[in-house]
Amino acid sequence: GQQVQQSPASLVLQEGENAELQCNFSTSLNSMQWFYQRPGGSLVSLFYNPSGTKHSGRLTSTTVIKERRSSLHISSSQTTDSGTYLCALDGAYKVIFGKGTHLHVLP
Amino acid sequence: EAAVTQSPRNKVAVTGGKVTLSCNQTNNHNNMYWYRQDTGHGLRLIHYSYGAGSTEKGDIPDGYKASRPSQENFSLILELATPSQTSVYFCASGGRGRTEVFFGKGTRLTVV
Repeated sequence: GQQVQQSPASLVLQEGENAELQCNFSTSLNSMQWFYQRPGGSLVSLFYNPSGTKHSGRLTSTTVIKERRSSLHISSSQTTDSGTYLCALDGAYKVIFGKGTHLHVLP
Repeated sequence: EAAVTQSPRNKVAVTGGKVTLSCNQTNNHNNMYWYRQDTGHGLRLIHYSYGAGSTEKGDIPDGYKASRPSQENFSLILELATPSQTSVYFCASGGRGRTEVFFGKGTRLTVV
């Protein structure tokens, strides 16, 4: 089965709303990383977060290893937040990605 | 600043031809990775490497070879390109264990 599962697959928000993106994993974890990607664009690293909580502006990442999950919280969403959010698990030997959450923020 | 450079950025190849995608990193990272990204499949791991001289098969290695001649360089080789290999390819580098992974800007390959 898939080792990294992201939810929801897609999300539509009104500007100003908050979003909670989830990443669940079924294999051992060395680290968890969150990326942002615009359509046709490259991957921008948002957080490198092997455990605990990290903040960056309106974004917060929380990784709880015992529960095999990581989350990305976006507060006060903006139209420029639209795009795809990917979590990546650095396991024992390789880096594995979830399929992403496609976020669309409406003005 | 960590840097991963891919070349070419865009490539059109003919079916049956040989294609080489190159990746260079200046991060002194041991691990390097090649992924392809397709709608509906996300990022899938093709090959990876632990260091110079090593290559390992990822989740979808069929039709691809890899070469790691040095710490800095990691190539992806399509000996006989097929239209199904039309995709966007990303290279990445990372240290051993708990370290951040850095990506190149991607190569858009079209096989006609």
